[in-house]
Amino acid sequence: QSVLTQPPSVSAAPGQKVTISCSGSSSNIGNNYVSWYQQLPGTAPKLLIYDNDKRPSGIPDRFSGSKSGTSATLGISGLQTGDEADYYCGTWDSSLRGVFGGGTKLTVL
Amino acid sequence: QLHLQESDPGLVKPSETLSLTCTVSGDSITRSNYFWAWIRQPPGRGLEWIANIYYSGTTYYTPSLKSRITVSVDTSKNQFSLKLSSVTAIDTAIYYCARQRISSDLDNWGQGTLVTVSS
Repeated sequence: QSVLTQPPSVSAAPGQKVTISCSGSSSNIGNNYVSWYQQLPGTAPKLLIYDNDKRPSGIPDRFSGSKSGTSATLGISGLQTGDEADYYCGTWDSSLRGVFGGGTKLTVL
Repeated sequence: QLHLQESDPGLVKPSETLSLTCTVSGDSITRSNYFWAWIRQPPGRGLEWIANIYYSGTTYYTPSLKSRITVSVDTSKNQFSLKLSSVTAIDTAIYYCARQRISSDLDNWGQGTLVTVSS
């Protein structure tokens, strides 16, 4: 059972937009930055969004992040088949320990 | 360019100690404002944050594993290490090392190493 709650799966057609939610509490998301990670099949996770809504160099602006209260959202627009992956949200708890969501599998139909 | 590489212990027997080392290249492990972290992922399951360490030796452990974990850093070799004692089959996972910005993201990850606990 993960500390942060994500939907197990989402799907959408190529070119469409999808959002993935991440729900936590005041002891984690509510008082800390949220990051998002993309894990393509058979590879290590890769940082996609940091500090709630910032993109590392090289990440296209089709990927966006937001946070409100104790929840965060990842948005992916202009979906491509190459976006099929598992997506994880992550943050820290009040004792400075890392916590993750259970992951969301994105299927591009 | 920053590169992290986990060692490869492969197969570990039940009740023994799992030992992993992460070698960092392209950056100094003593860089300010960065921790160095361990994360694991059981086959077919999600990510679990295990622990992190600052070059000064400050560590944070996940509560569920705290009694079995030791994390250390060797600044002379630009490495940090994880020891997990009394392993069982549920410790079978891909183990990743990563660089972590203080109170923020894990911005660089190693490729991961699969550790299997089996007799």
